Amino acid sequence: EVQLVESGGGLVKPGGSLRLSCAASGFTFSSYSMNWVRQAPGKGLEWVSSISSSSSYIYYADSVKGRFTISRDNAKNSLYLQMNSLRAEDTAVYYCARASALYYFDYWGQGTLVTVSS
Amino acid sequence: DIQMTQSPSSLSASVGDRVTITCRASQSISSYLNWYQQKPGKAPKLLIYAASSLQSGVPSRFSGSGSGTEFTLTISSLQPEDFATYYCQQSSPTFGGGTKVEIK
Repeated sequence: EVQLVESGGGLVKPGGSLRLSCAASGFTFSSYSMNWVRQAPGKGLEWVSSISSSSSYIYYADSVKGRFTISRDNAKNSLYLQMNSLRAEDTAVYYCARASALYYFDYWGQGTLVTVSS
Repeated sequence: DIQMTQSPSSLSASVGDRVTITCRASQSISSYLNWYQQKPGKAPKLLIYAASSLQSGVPSRFSGSGSGTEFTLTISSLQPEDFATYYCQQSSPTFGGGTKVEIK
């Protein structure tokens, strides 16, 4: 069974940093591109970042470029999101999601809440 | 950047109704269009990929159609468990704004 489990969310002050993790199991992690998608309270879904299977290709939404860094460790079946210079508008539930070759997200984690507030 | 516009943003319907949600792309995306269902407090769930392919395990009352810039998600006979918010997504990947389906 495919499982994605996020962790690392919490309350952080504006300007602070946080590192999210996503532990994957039940599939060959090193064969799939992975993504972070977020959802602000009461709002829609926003794609944040993606990383190819071998980390060769990395993309970011304009809203997080230069502040967030996506990475992965295929030996540990884990995906990460380092978030720096956090702003109130980064407050959201952050989901990790597996991407197919046609770039649809077929499996999602349960999400981890990041709250940026003083 | 390609923009995705969903309509309506919300709708009220009754159990058994046929429901259609539209997603328009600002430029042609061929058939690279996917649909998700999200219930409150839960992660999104993939329903339809590549415009019209039904994800494994998804009931056949859900169907998708379209290509180019205009796409539709149809629920042939709305069931109580279908009350949720639906999102389209193109492969760049950008999401539409969502359509909330509520009980009439």
